[in-house]
Amino acid sequence: GDSVTQMEGPVTLSEEAFLTINCTYTATGYPSLFWYVQYPGEGLQLLLKATKADDKGSNKGFEATYRKETTSFHLEKGSVQVSDSAVYFCALLSNYQLIWGAGTKLIIKP
Amino acid sequence: SAVISQKPSRDICQRGTSLTIQCQVDSQVTMMFWYRQQPGQSLTLIATANQGSEATYESGFVIDKFPISRPNLTFSTLTVSNMSPEDSSIYLCSAGGRGLMETQYFGPGTRLLVL
Repeated sequence: GDSVTQMEGPVTLSEEAFLTINCTYTATGYPSLFWYVQYPGEGLQLLLKATKADDKGSNKGFEATYRKETTSFHLEKGSVQVSDSAVYFCALLSNYQLIWGAGTKLIIKP
Repeated sequence: SAVISQKPSRDICQRGTSLTIQCQVDSQVTMMFWYRQQPGQSLTLIATANQGSEATYESGFVIDKFPISRPNLTFSTLTVSNMSPEDSSIYLCSAGGRGLMETQYFGPGTRLLVL
């Protein structure tokens, strides 16, 4: 069946560092791909999405490109801030159901 | 996009009681979903709630334990019945479907503690 694999956390970075959180998927066809973010004590917010190969989703300085050849959707940000500390979930859409990665906790130190 | 609210935001309940969680969407949506999130873990889909039909439950979840209502296109409820401490979790409602470009939007969650 379809699945999503994320890099394990926690990921700890200093402020202004470059961020990459790896996400790879296994799926039949070409599903839509998503990154959601969950700040401490809150629900999930859609961060960005891509619906077809080579699409780049972007929001709040975060980017991810849908790579069909490597079945990946890695999340990147050029300069992280303390306020980016949260748990990040990669997901794919399969028959209107989201298949989730395990989540990656990101800790940004000032 | 869609704005989703949930009530209650949190609750502390006694073993053996039931709690009904409400989910309200600010626009009509095809599909609503109920998830459970254990502390520090990813989301587990409980069921899909479609208006006008029975909810579809995932493996490991049954209607007697988690009855769901979907009376219209903007509202759904999830009841956690005969609760035990193992039901302590965050319960999240989401909405999605063609009208939302297949994106699912989430409510803030209900934090449940069962004593």
